[in-house]
Amino acid sequence: NAGVTQTPKFRVLKTGQSMTLLCAQDMNHEYMYWYRQDPGMGLRLIHYSVGEGTTAKGEVPDGYNVSRLKKQNFLLGLESAAPSQTSVYFCASSYLPGQGAYNEQFFGPGTRLTVL
Amino acid sequence: AQSVTQPDIHITVSEGASLELRCNYSYGATPYLFWYVQSPGQGLQLLLKYFSGDTLVQGIKGFEAEFKRSQSSFNLRKPSVHWSDAAEYFCAVDPSGFQKLVFGTGTRLLVSP
Repeated sequence: NAGVTQTPKFRVLKTGQSMTLLCAQDMNHEYMYWYRQDPGMGLRLIHYSVGEGTTAKGEVPDGYNVSRLKKQNFLLGLESAAPSQTSVYFCASSYLPGQGAYNEQFFGPGTRLTVL
Repeated sequence: AQSVTQPDIHITVSEGASLELRCNYSYGATPYLFWYVQSPGQGLQLLLKYFSGDTLVQGIKGFEAEFKRSQSSFNLRKPSVHWSDAAEYFCAVDPSGFQKLVFGTGTRLLVSP
């Protein structure tokens, strides 16, 4: 049981390049999330998904796109990278809210992205 | 504006001393409350959570937190800090109950010998 995994662990891009970050979870979770972590700002939600084929915007969605074609995978895309997108990106997943139950988020190890 | 505040950016504590990390939130209703820990180069691990009931909650690694409604606070405590507790600690809230978290800016804990 690997939990939440992220690929790649590190990446350096030039301004204007594109890339996709992959998040995979093997816990059969419905909900998946992408966060970015910047110094002094904590984690901020970029996009999230409440199930296969669904996506929704979070707090800071501009410049990113996401897709959830398979339940276990959640992809984060940068179409034209900018230096402001230099950050550490975390993926998380959780079960959907149950009746009277709240389900915690499990986090991946992160991807450190630098945009030059 | 609604927010989560962790007023201490850095805290240094001697090994064996007690620890308290502060967290305040500004949401009208009592949100779901969490403390996460992030070791260097690692993801986030849940330490403890508060939903309702007893306002003193116990977590992993000997941590506890107390919810004070009157102060809109959820402070994290540990009676005796170990060197391995050096990490960054994040307070988080879920204002809506729909499992979307809002994080504080974090407090970095340094443990001195």
